[in-house]
Amino acid sequence: SQQGEEDPQALSIQEGENATMNCSYKTSINNLQWYRQNSGRGLVHLILIRSNEREKHSGRLRVTLDTSKKSSSLLITASRAADTASYFCATVLNAGGTSYGKLTFGQGTILTVHP
Amino acid sequence: DGGITQSPKYLFRKEGQNVTLSCEQNLNHDAMYWYRQDPGQGLRLIYYSQIVNDFQKGDIAEGYSVSREKKESFPLTVTSAQKNPTAFYLCASSREAGELFFGEGSRLTVL
Repeated sequence: SQQGEEDPQALSIQEGENATMNCSYKTSINNLQWYRQNSGRGLVHLILIRSNEREKHSGRLRVTLDTSKKSSSLLITASRAADTASYFCATVLNAGGTSYGKLTFGQGTILTVHP
Repeated sequence: DGGITQSPKYLFRKEGQNVTLSCEQNLNHDAMYWYRQDPGQGLRLIYYSQIVNDFQKGDIAEGYSVSREKKESFPLTVTSAQKNPTAFYLCASSREAGELFFGEGSRLTVL
């Protein structure tokens, strides 16, 4: 089963509004990452938050992590039509001492921003 | 520019044929990965490699094979044993447990 699950599955908003996407996971993690995918393209890394961090910012992006609830959220402020894409969370599990962690992806949230 | 190159972008295969998807990176990353994405779905891990001449099965390795003879290259072969190979295939690379850098993907269609 998928480690990460995003909520909602689809989100439709107007330009200028904020968009919030949530991700829940099941097991202990090393870090959690958010990616963006434009239709038919590869994924692009947005932000990485480590298990000992609670919040991280990058431009218009804000990510929070609550390890007690095994959940994360991605907030995009002042959204633009160009933000229209699918957004995925991915977790790197604690790998028992190995430094390379394979990512486990959620199903994604499809964000549509209307001009 | 540094990055990951996948080829071909589109590929058509007849049933019973093996096909090989190419993935090359010039980022000097040790780890490389192959993911499969079906319409409206997330990514599922097929194989990954942390070092040259070594690779590990992911969650859906059946019907696929890989090799890692060079650090820069991690080709994926979709064999005739893969029952439902039509999908979007994504290759990625990374340093340690950090961010993944993805290629633009290869779309395989079985006729």
